[in-house]
Amino acid sequence: GAVVSQHPSWVICKSGTSVKIECRSLDFQATTMFWYRQFPKQSLMLMATSNEGSKATYEQGVEKDKFLINHASLTLSTLTVTSAHPEDSSFYICSAIMAGWDSPLHFGNGTRLTVT
Amino acid sequence: QQPVQSPQAVILREGEDAVINCSSSKALYSVHWYRQKHGEAPVFLMILLKGGEQKGHEKISASFNEKKQQSSLYLTASQLSYSGTYFCGTERGNAGNMLTFGGGTRLMVKP
Repeated sequence: GAVVSQHPSWVICKSGTSVKIECRSLDFQATTMFWYRQFPKQSLMLMATSNEGSKATYEQGVEKDKFLINHASLTLSTLTVTSAHPEDSSFYICSAIMAGWDSPLHFGNGTRLTVT
Repeated sequence: QQPVQSPQAVILREGEDAVINCSSSKALYSVHWYRQKHGEAPVFLMILLKGGEQKGHEKISASFNEKKQQSSLYLTASQLSYSGTYFCGTERGNAGNMLTFGGGTRLMVKP
């Protein structure tokens, strides 16, 4: 149980285009989803917290107009990287929790974004 | 504030033990431990909530000290499958599951 599916696994796009990444909880309802960014050999950096039906909460330094997050249902959150640039190339990972505090994070398999 | 993990990397022979530490300058609400293999998502190992708590599963265990500022992950009789990067994640007080992850400890187990 507690499977999180993230698509696509990898994407290569041209500079200036937008890319959408989907995160789905397959067998549970996720009241909260988190989006992380990870550079090679580095830690996971929280970008934003997404709650179903409300605006995402962004971490300091993360541009909300560049990284658009939508959490339209209890099983789906999307991250859109708008007007992507090479410096946006990274590994993006979503995670979801079931209701209640102190629940473990269930991670998607991540999306490798390469902007050329 | 990001917790500090040590060591940054460790190489073991199969069957050897290892300890990974996670420290914070402030008392923590809880500590999560995850393992990530290259190119894959992190996988949950365990959560510690109470000062003085210890828990484990098979040959991986963890402790959370009384002051709740430090946690250690113990890998006993390591197996090749234990290789990966281990992250501790700490909760910021009552911010629920908003975890701040440590820098990671890269563990390599050799035959």
